[in-house]
This record gives sequence, C-alpha cells and structure tokens, in this order.
Amino acid sequence: TQLLEQSPQFLSIQEGENLTVYCNSSSVFSSLQWYRQEPGEGPVLLVTVVTGGEVKKLKRLTFQFGDARKDSSLHITAAQPGDTGLYLCAGSFSGGGADGLTFGKGTHLIIQP
Amino acid sequence: KAGVTQTPRYLIKTRGQQVTLSCSPISGHRSVSWYQQTPGQGLQFLFEYFSETQRNKGNFPGRFSGRQFSNSRSEMNVSTLELGDSALYLCASNRQGLSEAFFGQGTRLTVV
Repeated sequence: TQLLEQSPQFLSIQEGENLTVYCNSSSVFSSLQWYRQEPGEGPVLLVTVVTGGEVKKLKRLTFQFGDARKDSSLHITAAQPGDTGLYLCAGSFSGGGADGLTFGKGTHLIIQP
Repeated sequence: KAGVTQTPRYLIKTRGQQVTLSCSPISGHRSVSWYQQTPGQGLQFLFEYFSETQRNKGNFPGRFSGRQFSNSRSEMNVSTLELGDSALYLCASNRQGLSEAFFGQGTRLTVV
C-alpha cells in the first residue's frame, strides 16, 4: 500500500506570512497533483508536476517536485485570507491513466486577517 | 464547458437501506472515479470506470459497487448501509491517459 504523508495537518497564520506544506512518500510518483478544497465543495486542481526537480508557480503559490519524485512542497508567499482551505496532495503511482489517485490527509490552512 | 455534476447533493438514509449516487462527467471525459472522504481517513479511492468497464478498485467491501453507462455517466451503489458509511462521496472525471482529476461538488451521505 502506497502512503502519502502530508504535513503539517493544521496551520493557522497571520495574513502576510509565508508558509510551506510538505507531501512525502516512500514510493516514486509518476505524477503528483495539488488540490484545494473549500467546505462543502469538491477539490479543485491547482497544479500537476511530472518531472523530478520541476518547479511551477501559480501567482503567490510555488510548487516543487523532488528530484527523486518522492516528495513535493507547496509554498505560499504573503498569504491572504482567501488562501484559507484544505490543501491536498495526490499522487499517481502508475504511468499514465487514471488508476486512482492516492491522497494525503490534507493540510487545513487558516489565514487570519 | 459544464463541470462534473453529482446528484443528489445531500442524502439521509437509515442503516440497512441502500443508496444510489449519480455522476455526470465533463463532456468528452470517458474515465470516472469515485472517492469517499471522511474526517478521519481523508479521501480514499473507491473505483474507476473507463468505457463502461471497472479498471481499478480500492480497498472497500463488496457493498460498494458502481457502473458506467455508454454516455460515460456513472452511478455508485452502497447496499446495507452502516453508520460508518456517512461521508462525502466525490466523483471525478479524467481525460484519457491523464491522472488529473476534475471533481464534482460531492454527495453528502448521512446514515442514521
């Protein structure tokens, strides 16, 4: 069974601060996605990383894929209250095709004004 | 382009009953996956269908089943409901060959 560990589980910070969320596995991902979920809604895809060492930016969010493709991080710069939500990483361990994503348990992020 | 549509949004059922949930994928997406989300276990993969065939199944009891129709719409069924089946059930559709999932809003099932 492939496990995906996400940390921290909960994070509450002040507006304007920076933060990093981590996603780790003992297995190699063929690809990894980050999602954001708001209460009562389904997760919304933020980014997909595929290549080891890859870095992608989405406004104030920076996503990094580890060189060995076993870990990933999400860094938010100058967090805003609108960033509040549940951040989920999800890994695909098979090459191509939707064989079922393995999700981390998520990071509950609260940005206080 | 319409997103993934799940119906109903909310359901309350009694232990022992059965329930059927519906999912319409994004137009052109032929793969549909189902997930169960609970506070304790997070998001867990149930099964995935492609072209009316179940391609993969998660570690759930046989009470959980699904099917996919020729128009790619999918249903999942849970029989003999237990209190522990209370969860948010999410459906996701994928374009063929890609693992990125586009989720619906989910069906909140409460078993009493």
